[in-house]
Amino acid sequence: SQQGEEDPQALSIQEGENATMNCSYKTSINNLQWYRQNSGRGLVHLILIRSNEREKHSGRLRVTLDTSKKSSSLLITASRAADTASYFCATDAAGAQKLVFGQGTRLTINP
Amino acid sequence: ETGVTQTPRHLVMGMTNKKSLKCEQHLGHNAMYWYKQSAKKPLELMFVYNFKEQTENNSVPSRFSPECPNSSHLFLHLHTLQPEDSALYLCASSGGGSYNEQFFGPGTRLTVL
Repeated sequence: SQQGEEDPQALSIQEGENATMNCSYKTSINNLQWYRQNSGRGLVHLILIRSNEREKHSGRLRVTLDTSKKSSSLLITASRAADTASYFCATDAAGAQKLVFGQGTRLTINP
Repeated sequence: ETGVTQTPRHLVMGMTNKKSLKCEQHLGHNAMYWYKQSAKKPLELMFVYNFKEQTENNSVPSRFSPECPNSSHLFLHLHTLQPEDSALYLCASSGGGSYNEQFFGPGTRLTVL
């Protein structure tokens, strides 16, 4: 299976600290995306990194991609209570026409 | 708001009922998707439509029947569901091929009694 796996499954930190989540996958990809989901709601796209990119930034988000290790990380700096959510990575296998989502990391930011 | 709407937001139905979920997008996208999200399980892709044609059916039981009358609307018809079908059903759309950024609706929380 190409399914991504996030690590850790749950993360609880204090407001202001940085949060790092990891994603591993199994097959070659065109791109990897990160999404956020607030409890019981739809997913919101955060950032997309292509297979030929190694790092990408968007505001307080930093994503890295290591295709040799088939892994990616999402760093949220200076976390806020509003960052509390589940975060998912999604990959599209080269040649496949769909995204495959991991199980997600549940992030809790404590005030 | 992401431009993808879903109705109803909550649905409770018995196992013998027939109901339909509706998804609508006004983003000009060509691809639409149905996902099922159950507790403690990864997001499961159910169906994919590209330009109104079904391109993916991920071994979904026939009690779930999708319909895509045009590129802006997607339905999921439900019939004789089981309690284990209770879940959050999410609709999404994307443009320019299935592997672009997907825009999700808020979901329909389905409870099957």
